[in-house]
Amino acid sequence: DTGVSQNPRHKITKRGQNVTFRCDPISEHNRLYWYRQTLGQGPEFLTYFQNEAQLEKSRLLSDRFSAERPKGSFSTLEIQRTEQGDSAMYLCASSLAIGGEGQETQYFGPGTRLLVL
Amino acid sequence: GDSVTQMEGPVTLSEEAFLTINCTYTATGYPSLFWYVQYPGEGLQLLLKATKADDKGSNKGFEATYRKETTSFHLEKGSVQVSDSAVYFCALTNSGGSNYKLTFGKGTLLTVNP
Repeated sequence: DTGVSQNPRHKITKRGQNVTFRCDPISEHNRLYWYRQTLGQGPEFLTYFQNEAQLEKSRLLSDRFSAERPKGSFSTLEIQRTEQGDSAMYLCASSLAIGGEGQETQYFGPGTRLLVL
Repeated sequence: GDSVTQMEGPVTLSEEAFLTINCTYTATGYPSLFWYVQYPGEGLQLLLKATKADDKGSNKGFEATYRKETTSFHLEKGSVQVSDSAVYFCALTNSGGSNYKLTFGKGTLLTVNP
């Protein structure tokens, strides 16, 4: 068990460019989450996958954002036409849900810090 | 919707002092409550959790009791160490609503001086 990993750890881009982040969850975890954290705030939920199915998207996730989890393993989060307001830490978490329980522990990766100039 | 309110920081203590970080929540249904910690330069780590009323979560000398009557989950430690310096986040998941996403408070920065 190597934990949740995220790449890259840091990304600096110019406004209008597209960026893609990757998250590798703990192996065999069936749920994967993306959160966004801005300075001085707690993480905010963006979207969630159960295996390969994306089951919910926050209204924070505008049309410029898209997330995938092909084959229910790693996930990617893409931001198109980045804006300065997209600057934040993007966190990925994974968990193992058994049955219909929703109280399982989420394990977080180190995050990808995005700066849009 | 669900929300979590934490005492605002920063909190600065001397080593061996008693720590309390207040956390209250608003949620429908039957939330589970969590404290996460973020050490400098590291990712969020689960510190402790409680899944039903009157449960006490504990880890590394930290404790928090799920109080349904006061909708609170205050974090306490009897004697803090310099190594406890970090940002602490109170959070919940709610079986009555979206039972899979975490709703976080804003975080409380704790600095412990030797």
